[in-house]
Amino acid sequence: DTGVSQDPRHKITKRGQNVTFRCDPISEHNRLYWYRQTLGQGPEFLTYFQNEAQLEKSRLLSNRFSAERPKGSFSTLEIQRTEQGDSAMYLCASSRANKGTRETQYFGPGTRLLVL
Amino acid sequence: QKEVEQDPGPLSVPEGAIVSLNCTYSNSAFQYFMWYRQYSRKGPELLMYTYSSGNKEDGRFTAQVDKSSKYISLFIRDSQPSDSATYLCAMSAFQYGQNFVFGPGTRLSVLP
Repeated sequence: DTGVSQDPRHKITKRGQNVTFRCDPISEHNRLYWYRQTLGQGPEFLTYFQNEAQLEKSRLLSNRFSAERPKGSFSTLEIQRTEQGDSAMYLCASSRANKGTRETQYFGPGTRLLVL
Repeated sequence: QKEVEQDPGPLSVPEGAIVSLNCTYSNSAFQYFMWYRQYSRKGPELLMYTYSSGNKEDGRFTAQVDKSSKYISLFIRDSQPSDSATYLCAMSAFQYGQNFVFGPGTRLSVLP
């Protein structure tokens, strides 16, 4: 069990550019979450996948954001036409959710995005 | 009013002190309560998980939930410098993660 990994760990980009982040969950975890965390705030839910299906998206997720989990394993989060307000830590978490049992999310180290 | 409130700190205590961290919330439907620890530039890690009201103890950590007051606490006994981190509470009405609501976190420094 190698834990949740995210790549890159840091990204600096210019306003208007597109960026893509990758998350590799713990193997055999069927759920994968994306969160955004800004300085001094807790993580805010963006979207989640159960296997390859994207089941819910937050209102925070504007149409410039898209996430995929094509084979139910790793996931990507793309932000198009980045804005300065997109600067934040993007966290990925995974879990094995079974009906009737408690769900424990394991977080990755995050990708810190700075939009200039 | 935010759904989950937490004093942001920073809270500084001497090594060995008992630390009390608290969250208040407004949604009476919350029944799953969690505490996460987040070191600087790392993702949160789950410390404690409590369902409904009551106390739960795990080593030096005790979690308390008072649903009647909409108030949860995390106590750390014999605090160590390695406990210096941001502590986030999270809660949910449902068992599943897409419903978790996080507090803003309290920054704790334990001074040697």
